[in-house]
Amino acid sequence: QSELTQPPSASGTPGQTVTISCSGSSSNMGENFLYWYQQLPGTAPRLLIYKNRQRPSGVPDRFSGSKSGTSASLVIGGLRSEDEADYYCAAWDDSLSGPVFGGGTKLTVL
Amino acid sequence: EVQLVQSGAEVKQAGESLRISCEGSGYSFSTFWISWVRQMPGKGLEWMGKVDTDDSYAIYAPSFQGHVTISSEKSTNTAYLQWNSLKASDTAIYYCARQTTGFDADFDYWGQGTLVTVSS
Repeated sequence: QSELTQPPSASGTPGQTVTISCSGSSSNMGENFLYWYQQLPGTAPRLLIYKNRQRPSGVPDRFSGSKSGTSASLVIGGLRSEDEADYYCAAWDDSLSGPVFGGGTKLTVL
Repeated sequence: EVQLVQSGAEVKQAGESLRISCEGSGYSFSTFWISWVRQMPGKGLEWMGKVDTDDSYAIYAPSFQGHVTISSEKSTNTAYLQWNSLKASDTAIYYCARQTTGFDADFDYWGQGTLVTVSS
């Protein structure tokens, strides 16, 4: 069982806006940064959002992150077919003394 | 360009030993931690542990402590993940990932993954 909770699936049509949630606890998301990773089919994960809301270079501004307390969201605007992937949130967990991942959300573009 | 290049796919029998590798290039290898992440078939990501590539000091997730060994060799810019006795349940894709700090969830570059298949 993951320390961070995500919905197993999400979907949207091209051009729509989709939100993926991630919830945790005080030991992980309470005082630590939240990260989002995108894993396209058959590929390695890649960093999508770091430190709650920052985008690495090369990540389109259609992707945005936010965090409030022990909840966080990834918002994907202007949905495109190439956004179809698994999305994982992650944070350091003080109790475990290590990073923890959410279970992942499979995004389907209809 | 930062790159992490992992060794190729492996097919092993239960009980055998195995070491897979992750070679870093395009950056100062010994100034970043390297973590290993497991992805079992059809499942999510699990952090296994990490190594300080400057001195090969490793820290393990409780679930993996005692079952794997993580190490590094800075003279060759390579990190390793090793098993002494594989189990069928070790069948998975294993990723190495670079961490800017050793105490966050910031995996900024990833290897391409190594598929390990263990038959019983």
